[in-house]
Amino acid sequence: DIQMTQSPSSLSASVGDRVTITCRASQRIKNYLNWYQKKAGKAPKVLIGAVSSLQSGVPSRFSGSASGTDFTLTISSLQPEDVATYYCQQSYSTPYTFGQGTKLEI
Amino acid sequence: EVQLVESGGGLVQPGGSLRLSCAASGFTFSRYWMHWVRQVPGKGLEWVSRIKSDGSSTTYADSVKGRFTISRDNAKNTVYLQINSLRGEDTAVYYCAGDGDYGGYSWFDPWGQGTLVTVSS
Repeated sequence: DIQMTQSPSSLSASVGDRVTITCRASQRIKNYLNWYQKKAGKAPKVLIGAVSSLQSGVPSRFSGSASGTDFTLTISSLQPEDVATYYCQQSYSTPYTFGQGTKLEI
Repeated sequence: EVQLVESGGGLVQPGGSLRLSCAASGFTFSRYWMHWVRQVPGKGLEWVSRIKSDGSSTTYADSVKGRFTISRDNAKNTVYLQINSLRGEDTAVYYCAGDGDYGGYSWFDPWGQGTLVTVSS
């Protein structure tokens, strides 16, 4: 199975900060990397598909990038509504695996 | 409106069974692969199973293989998850999610609101 290692596990930042979350795959997954936002009591929501494809309705302050097996989610200017847990997920091969999550607080 | 609505969760004794349902509307269900993903309270997301758009292929996580069965009825726009031989570690919120196969890539969108399965005596 492909292991997805996410860091940090938690993060506290201020409104307006630039925030970066990293995810490392245990093997090559090409561009099969997605990012989700999970708020308490709500269903997960896809933010970015295939490393950098921003999904419809997602604010442009969210962006994704990759370097080899390292993937990054960046929030350019943190907003109060961004408080959530963020998960990376590989869709290169089954079992599809998620990172352990990054809890973002303000 | 694109929507997935799960049902069928509840309290069940260890060793028991449940059938979860997920009804889709607002999109062409028959073109989507469908997945089940679960979240143990306070823990992360775990992919459970998937089924191809025409129902011809299914895949399972090792943790549920042989106990869970995914199926779908495209005439009813519904995907199911039959869960048998339930264990305490199966206690979780179960989400269904669609996968539209976006230009060869795959991600989960839309998602249902989740249904809670609690395994306890």
